[in-house]
Amino acid sequence: GQQLNQSPQSMFIQEGEDVSMNCTSSSIFNTWLWYKQDPGEGPVLLIALYKAGELTSNGRLTAQFGITRKDSFLNISASIPSDVGIYFCAGQQPSSSRLTFGEGTQLTVNP
Amino acid sequence: DAGVIQSPRHEVTEMGQEVTLRCKPISGHDYLFWYRQTMMRGLELLIYFNNNVPIDDSGMPEDRFSAKMPNASFSTLKIQPSEPRDSAVYFCASRSFKYAGSNEQFFGPGTRLTVL
Repeated sequence: GQQLNQSPQSMFIQEGEDVSMNCTSSSIFNTWLWYKQDPGEGPVLLIALYKAGELTSNGRLTAQFGITRKDSFLNISASIPSDVGIYFCAGQQPSSSRLTFGEGTQLTVNP
Repeated sequence: DAGVIQSPRHEVTEMGQEVTLRCKPISGHDYLFWYRQTMMRGLELLIYFNNNVPIDDSGMPEDRFSAKMPNASFSTLKIQPSEPRDSAVYFCASRSFKYAGSNEQFFGPGTRLTVL
């Protein structure tokens, strides 16, 4: 089936540092979504992207829909301890209602 | 407005027992998705409904799994008989397609299932 390659798998950073993670695919998507999952909870939607080249911010988070429609990245600026969690990208292909999820990026922020 | 509601939050059962997981989607949403999450396989789509009708059940592992959506505000995922390899976190998500371009799925808190 369709695969999304998400990297890095894990990150260990100091509080205050910026973070960047990305997802790539061999297929075109018309929607990119970024979720965060805390332990014992369901994924929470952070940012939704619908147009190639679109750059969207949500507080300290910024995400971009790649111009080729095959990739997306998420940046977190000035990280804080509560940013700890697993971040997932998800893509939806044209004419599909299914989301394909990346493997997740486990973020650890050291105070 | 309440989010997606799932029950129970935790379920521990013995192999061979029937397990029923429940989901109440966000009011007004017309799509409902059931996912399973494990360390090995990540988030897998099991089945999804549109307007209470099952559209794609290709992710359902085998005949032991079944899902129903008798009305717009309730869905169940049933495993009978359960096996230890079914242990996972099961999520329900819902989505509204009433607004053009809205592909955003909203997840419930999940049910952590342990089959002994």
